[in-house]
Amino acid sequence: EPEVTQTPSHQVTQMGQEVILRCVPISNHLYFYWYRQILGQKVEFLVSFYNNEISEKSEIFDDQFSVERPDGSNFTLKIRSTKLEDSAMYFCASSSVGGRTEAFFGQGTRLTVV
Amino acid sequence: GESVGLHLPTLSVQEGDNSIINCAYSNSASDYFIWYKQESGKGPQFIIDIRSNMDKRQGQRVTVLLNKTVKHLSLQIAATQPGDSAVYFCAENMDSSYKLIFGSGTRLLVRP
Repeated sequence: EPEVTQTPSHQVTQMGQEVILRCVPISNHLYFYWYRQILGQKVEFLVSFYNNEISEKSEIFDDQFSVERPDGSNFTLKIRSTKLEDSAMYFCASSSVGGRTEAFFGQGTRLTVV
Repeated sequence: GESVGLHLPTLSVQEGDNSIINCAYSNSASDYFIWYKQESGKGPQFIIDIRSNMDKRQGQRVTVLLNKTVKHLSLQIAATQPGDSAVYFCAENMDSSYKLIFGSGTRLLVRP
């Protein structure tokens, strides 16, 4: 069964450092997403990406965040200067249709900022 | 993918019983809804979806009910099994948006 894969599974970084979280979406999907989940809280939308550009973003997704699809398979989330409050589980997701159908989620990357 | 939290509502059911998990959604403009299951260490997994032109949809052992009048969604699981133990989230979407808005989750514990 096709799946979304994320690497690394756990990333520890020092405050102020840049991190890149990586995702390989399902191969025939066209819409890509990043969500995050702070421990004990809801899953929150960060950004959606379609046709090589951001289609929607939340207020969380400020200038410190960026996304990129550097090649035909990877989808990355970069946080330029991490803060303690960026510590969370980050989920990548993909779907064949934007927003109106099942989004498949990866296993997540746990980001710990110290 | 931990969705564990000290304040998650918890539903405890006996194996074999039916479970009903409820969700109040936030936006009256939402017209597409999904239930996700999240097991410890994993990402959300799709269970079933429903569009606003329906009030009930059935899958394998699961049924979703939608009451738009009171903005309420429920997930019914028949003959609950130990493997159903997880945190369950409802999520909503509006036609004008790509994003899913997740609810706060309910932990389902299945007693053997």
